[in-house]
Amino acid sequence: DAGVTQSPTHLIKTRGQHVTLRCSPISGHKSVSWYQQVLGQGPQFIFQYYEKEERGRGNFPDRFSARQFPNYSSELNVNALLLGDSALYLCASSLNRQNTEAFFGQGTRLTVV
Amino acid sequence: DAKTTQPPSMDCAEGRAANLPCNHSTISGNEYVYWYRQIHSQGPQYIIHGLKNNETNEMASLIITEDRKSSTLILPHATLRDTAVYYCIDPNRDDKIIFGKGTRLHILP
Repeated sequence: DAGVTQSPTHLIKTRGQHVTLRCSPISGHKSVSWYQQVLGQGPQFIFQYYEKEERGRGNFPDRFSARQFPNYSSELNVNALLLGDSALYLCASSLNRQNTEAFFGQGTRLTVV
Repeated sequence: DAKTTQPPSMDCAEGRAANLPCNHSTISGNEYVYWYRQIHSQGPQYIIHGLKNNETNEMASLIITEDRKSSTLILPHATLRDTAVYYCIDPNRDDKIIFGKGTRLHILP
């Protein structure tokens, strides 16, 4: 069975550019959450989507946006990239909104230069 | 912000039981405690969760105190592959998984 898949695995962008990260949840999972993890820190919550609607948002600027598609896959978009946006971006999927037993992907390593 | 407190790091000898403590003194009566771990360069991995009773699965055991203000994750026979950062999580009422700093567990050969 395929787990949570994220693409791309690695990405290098320059300041001011925008980026789109993609996540495919486990089949049947309707909840997708996004996290940002900078080196040495725990993952920081960015968004949760459930049934294609935003159900929660962390303390991130409006440059960060996301959406969930009818097939429950999701995209995370970041505009006007800053050097500080360099991080591992993780996607997690779960069966329900309550996020019991969430499954994480391997992440997308974004480097902003 | 995370609502749990964990020691920043712990050591455990290979083959011994690793006991990782967590304080979650503000947990409400119907909130579960979740444990995840993150091995270097990988995404976090779900381990176990519990409400009141002790729980056990193929990965670990979870002991929750009667007042539910703290819990201990037990890895019964730690191996080198258990070296990871372990996160104890108390989801807020919005059911978000909010990570703290976790405990960095070093398994010593």
